[in-house]
Amino acid sequence: AQSVTQLDSQVPVFEEAPVELRCNYSSSVSVYLFWYVQYPNQGLQLLLKYLSGSTLVKGINGFEAEFNKSQTSFHLRKPSVHISDTAEYFCAVTGNTPLVFGKGTRLSVIA
Amino acid sequence: NAGVMQNPRHLVRRRGQEARLRCSPMKGHSHVYWYRQLPEEGLKFMVYLQKENIIDESGMPKERFSAEFPKEGPSILRIQQVVRGDSAAYFCASSPPEKRNTGELFFGEGSRLTVL
Repeated sequence: AQSVTQLDSQVPVFEEAPVELRCNYSSSVSVYLFWYVQYPNQGLQLLLKYLSGSTLVKGINGFEAEFNKSQTSFHLRKPSVHISDTAEYFCAVTGNTPLVFGKGTRLSVIA
Repeated sequence: NAGVMQNPRHLVRRRGQEARLRCSPMKGHSHVYWYRQLPEEGLKFMVYLQKENIIDESGMPKERFSAEFPKEGPSILRIQQVVRGDSAAYFCASSPPEKRNTGELFFGEGSRLTVL
């Protein structure tokens, strides 16, 4: 079985500052890892994914994440955030099973 | 290509009534997933269906909840005799056959159920 831990429930950050949203996973099999974003009153949108290959994955809206197998982490980063990045971010994992989500991190960008 | 369509977007029911939530997957997608999101919680997997088949229902409560994905028409999540604890956002997602269980899901905007 897989599980995901998102270490921060809320992250406030000033506009144009860098941000890192942390995610650790647990799995006994090889996994695929994802970050999804949810804007208020909307569904989830895929931000980026790690399936195989390069451990540094680039996604939409300037986000990137690094897969670290030894630390079982998949932290999400952005060098400079915008107000429009304010949303809930979910880390998710699958190992040939339905997607398992973390509890989410609410990113609040402050002007 | 229209996205995943869910309706109703908002549904209010009194305790004991039935709730029916519908989901039309993206064109060409034959796999449908239902997730439930409670306040301050992440999304919890409920059920995974193919046309006319339930593939995995390990996340479905044993009573009152059922799901179907008929050969024709949308997938339906049915909750009988609703209770206040059923109040949540219910999300449907779909994937094409070649991406099933890869985690690459396309989500609808959700149906928000409020039980009075």
